[in-house]
Amino acid sequence: ETGVTQTPRHLVMGMTNKKSLKCEQHLGHNAMYWYKQSAKKPLELMFVYSLEERVENNSVPSRFSPECPNSSHLFLHLHTLQPEDSALYLCASSQDWGQGSETQYFGPGTRLLVL
Amino acid sequence: GQNIDQPTEMTATEGAIVQINCTYQTSGFNGLFWYQQHAGEAPTFLSYNVLDGLEEKGRFSSFLSRSKGYSYLLLKELQMKDSASYLCAVRDSNYQLIWGAGTKLIIKP
Repeated sequence: ETGVTQTPRHLVMGMTNKKSLKCEQHLGHNAMYWYKQSAKKPLELMFVYSLEERVENNSVPSRFSPECPNSSHLFLHLHTLQPEDSALYLCASSQDWGQGSETQYFGPGTRLLVL
Repeated sequence: GQNIDQPTEMTATEGAIVQINCTYQTSGFNGLFWYQQHAGEAPTFLSYNVLDGLEEKGRFSSFLSRSKGYSYLLLKELQMKDSASYLCAVRDSNYQLIWGAGTKLIIKP
């Protein structure tokens, strides 16, 4: 099994649709992350979960809603998105959260286009 | 505010050496990471520096100077497959990763 998987890989949705992105990690890690990657911009951290509890309080619009049912799975629920939300959404995991040397392992991302 | 600066794009020749610089201003420092990201793929971990000096790993080396807020990634014996974006990230005092926008490296034959 590949370390971190994401589905779907590509998604096109209208502004009134509701969709969900799924991430699964097979590494036995305790922390999982959602990032937004836009062209020529730094990765933006959206949400962090450690041991299934949300630990970061970044300013993310409420049209993005995360869910972490267990330490291996992470979802990002999307509703009434805007065209500027079109981006690559990356999921990552790490052994723990809050350690200096911890390495994050990324999934291949979901390329989202909002029409 | 916190800031990571790296060149937007660099071009180098196959077989040559290239150095990608990264400067940072962050609230605290708990390590610096370099990641490689091929187009359409996941970022993959390359190196981690927390102490000053050079860390060598095969064809890739990473250098850190904490007093200067500066790091570089050195790639030797460039291969076509090294064409990718290289991301610099610093972990701040809150253990949050602050990312640069990435350097797109183009390798020419």
